[in-house]
Amino acid sequence: SAVISQKPSRDICQRGTSLTIQCQVDSQVTMMFWYRQQPGQSLTLIATANQGSEATYESGFVIDKFPISRPNLTFSTLTVSNMSPEDSSIYLCSVEGQYYGYTFGSGTRLTVV
Amino acid sequence: AQTVTQSQPEMSVQEAETVTLSCTYDTSESDYYLFWYKQPPSRQMILVIRQEAYKQQNATENRFSVNFQKAAKSFSLKISDSQLGDAAMYFCAYRRDFGNEKLTFGTGTRLTIIP
Repeated sequence: SAVISQKPSRDICQRGTSLTIQCQVDSQVTMMFWYRQQPGQSLTLIATANQGSEATYESGFVIDKFPISRPNLTFSTLTVSNMSPEDSSIYLCSVEGQYYGYTFGSGTRLTVV
Repeated sequence: AQTVTQSQPEMSVQEAETVTLSCTYDTSESDYYLFWYKQPPSRQMILVIRQEAYKQQNATENRFSVNFQKAAKSFSLKISDSQLGDAAMYFCAYRRDFGNEKLTFGTGTRLTIIP
């Protein structure tokens, strides 16, 4: 199955600033998924990123707050914009793997102060 | 919309014993996939086991097995011979049988292994 390199692994950011998270996959994939995991919670899908088209956002998530880039079939970025303490979460990217299993990046732990 | 429910926020088991984690789901689809993922403190999501809804046979992976009851929409995970390394959050997840579909996760069960 695919291997995903996600960076940064963690960051502490000032409120009002932005952070861009990168995911690099070792093989070409059609779709990439971005999830948020708030402290002690489950994973919630933010958006689905398809190469060459705009990302599709889930209810409650908007492009201005979480712009996504998908320039090619192996790379994607998620930006968390104008951050507030409520954005403190773990952010994970994911791709569909073999036999419909999914592979995840190692996650980015974001703390907003 | 599909929903996944895990009614056990926390479970504990003695090392070497067997534990069962519960999961129920709601869907109107007939073809789908179910998964159990493990998330240790490293926060890496690790696929434990998967089940295709069209298969009647329950999936097994070494010490991990599932009890899939399609009519009841139940998908429990049994861990046999529990080991200290099994301590983690366990998430049940659902996926429709379409290409490039998202996963819908349950709320998770924190499993503690007692030495």
